[in-house]
Amino acid sequence: DGGITQSPKYLFRKEGQNVTLSCEQNLNHDAMYWYRQDPGQGLRLIYYSQIVNDFQKGDIAEGYSVSREKKESFPLTVTSAQKNPTAFYLCASSLDWNTEAFFGQGTRLTVV
Amino acid sequence: EDKVVQSPLSLVVHEGDTVTLNCSYEVTNFRSLLWYKQEKKAPTFLFMLTSSGIEKKSGRLSSILDKKELFSILNITATQTGDSAIYLCAVDSNYQLIWGAGTKLIIKP
Repeated sequence: DGGITQSPKYLFRKEGQNVTLSCEQNLNHDAMYWYRQDPGQGLRLIYYSQIVNDFQKGDIAEGYSVSREKKESFPLTVTSAQKNPTAFYLCASSLDWNTEAFFGQGTRLTVV
Repeated sequence: EDKVVQSPLSLVVHEGDTVTLNCSYEVTNFRSLLWYKQEKKAPTFLFMLTSSGIEKKSGRLSSILDKKELFSILNITATQTGDSAIYLCAVDSNYQLIWGAGTKLIIKP
């Protein structure tokens, strides 16, 4: 089945540790995105990638890093520099920059 | 298996018409239902519904949830061309978002 897979579904980490969230898509989409959702708020863009080996900062990139070495994969690392990392993280992809995005099921990160 | 079904998949109406979009769901542990408007990239959050029968309203948009019949509707009155978008419904089940396929709404002038 084609789609976007995020893993893990839940993640617990101690404060000060880096953690990497996985996002894989088999839709042959060029563009991929990472969003963060906090309770009662809309989605906020962290990073996006329009094509493999290229990525750009979104609205709230501080404390995060990404890579796009393969078309189907866009992992997000939440670093210890991120002040409020506990949140729900959503990955999405689209055929190209100008088409609709499809979303994964999300990863809930809790930092204790 | 958790699922969210939106209908219709697409809808074309004239400016000034009223539209009703549907979202039905079957999930294991319902926490909330969310509506988003997606135009280009990041969806715009519209509503989060957790309780049955309580209408949420924002301008010309309103939404209500029926937890007994497991569905929600999104109403848009006096539609404008700027309402043209894909409207996404998502259900939070066990802290995971299950997405509907979306309804593509086109408003003709």
